[in-house]
Amino acid sequence: EDKVVQSPLSLVVHEGDTVTLNCSYEVTNFRSLLWYKQEKKAPTFLFMLTSSGIEKKSGRLSSILDKKELFSILNITATQTGDSAVYLCVPFTGNQFYFGTGTSLTVIP
Amino acid sequence: GAVVSQHPSWVICKSGTSVKIECRSLDFQATTMFWYRQFPKQSLMLMATSNEGSKATYEQGVEKDKFLINHASLTLSTLTVTSAHPEDSSFYICSARDRIYGYTFGSGTRLTVV
Repeated sequence: EDKVVQSPLSLVVHEGDTVTLNCSYEVTNFRSLLWYKQEKKAPTFLFMLTSSGIEKKSGRLSSILDKKELFSILNITATQTGDSAVYLCVPFTGNQFYFGTGTSLTVIP
Repeated sequence: GAVVSQHPSWVICKSGTSVKIECRSLDFQATTMFWYRQFPKQSLMLMATSNEGSKATYEQGVEKDKFLINHASLTLSTLTVTSAHPEDSSFYICSARDRIYGYTFGSGTRLTVV
C-alpha cells in the first residue's frame, strides 16, 4: 500500500533556529517529490525533486531526495515567524499525488 | 487517519463535453471541501471553497458556470468541468477540512481535453 510519512507531526522552535523536516515514502511508480508550504487554504510550491543527492536551495530553504532510502528532508535555517505553516511532502507518479499529513511548524519570536 | 478518495485519477474527454470529478471523505465528515487546479511550475491555485449544503465560494477569476461544484453531503463533493476546452487540461486536486484532521488532500485528477 502506498504511503507517505512525515515527521515530526508538529514542531515549535524559536526564531533563528534551524529545523529539519522528514519525509519517508513508499509509492509505486514514483517520479518526483514535491514540497509545499500551506499557510492558508492553498499550498505554495517550494521544491520539486527528481534526482537523488542533488540539493535544491531557495533562500533559507533547502531540500534533498534519497531515492534509494525513499526519503527526503526539508531544511529551514535561521527560521522566522513567517515560516510558521504546515509543510507538505508530496510524492508524484505522473498521474497521482500522494499528500502526506504534513508537519506543522510554529516559530515563536 | 483521514483519507480523501478522488476519482477518476485521469480522464480524457473531447472538447465541448463535460467531466465530473468526485471527492469523497472516508471515515470522516468534511464540513468544507476545497478545489485546486495545478498550474505549470507546480503551483496550486485555489478555485473554490464549498461547505456542505450551501453554495460554493469561488475565487476571483474562476468561472462558476464553467466549474460547477456540488457539496450535497458531508462526505461527497463534485467538480464538473462543463464544455471543456483544451486550455482546461490540468490536474485538479481536492482537499477536505475537518476539525480533527485539518486538511486532507485527494490524489488528483489529470484532465486532458482533446
